[in-house]
Amino acid sequence: EAAVTQSPRNKVTVTGGNVTLSCRQTNSHNYMYWYRQDTGHGLRLIHYSYGAGNLQIGDVPDGYKATRTTQEDFFLLLELASPSQTSLYFCASGLGSSQNTLYFGAGTRLSVL
Amino acid sequence: AQSVTQPDARVTVSEGASLQLRCKYSYSATPYLFWYVQYPRQGLQLLLKYYSGDPVVQGVNSFEAEFSKSNSSFHLQKASVHWSDSAVYFCALSPGAGNTGKLIFGLGTTLQVQP
Repeated sequence: EAAVTQSPRNKVTVTGGNVTLSCRQTNSHNYMYWYRQDTGHGLRLIHYSYGAGNLQIGDVPDGYKATRTTQEDFFLLLELASPSQTSLYFCASGLGSSQNTLYFGAGTRLSVL
Repeated sequence: AQSVTQPDARVTVSEGASLQLRCKYSYSATPYLFWYVQYPRQGLQLLLKYYSGDPVVQGVNSFEAEFSKSNSSFHLQKASVHWSDSAVYFCALSPGAGNTGKLIFGLGTTLQVQP
């Protein structure tokens, strides 16, 4: 069974705080993705990666960094968190072709006060 | 520009009734199309996908969708809904060859099934 695990499930921080969201996949997929989900915007792609050490810019990258340390692990970093980054964050993995399924984690709900 | 439109933010139906959730896409060629479902406090799960062949595709849990190139649509249907189908449904598009698996999502349709 494909598995994508995100941690933490919930996080509260203050404006200007430093936050790291973690994602691990056990699917042996090359591609990993970070999306944010907001009411009125659906899911929007922040960053993605096709392997360890690789990082690609998504559609809404401002204020976010990401790092792919291994094939399994992909991290999203908010170094100076702002209230506009309050959102539900999803990590996903996939084989990287147009027709392949993405497998999503359960999400991390982040609140920036 | 590539985009996905789900015109209905919320749909309410009675248990046992039929269902259609609408999806329109904008893309210059034939895209790969997906329907995902998000149950409360869970990540998105694939219901079905289309990329060629028979325009009617079958998915999990008796869902099906029909692709129409002339209408640029990919509507999701179910003959008889159950209360457990209450969830948020996302239509998504993946551009053609060379794509990296990125998806462009619609805003989602919240389905509420009343007993």
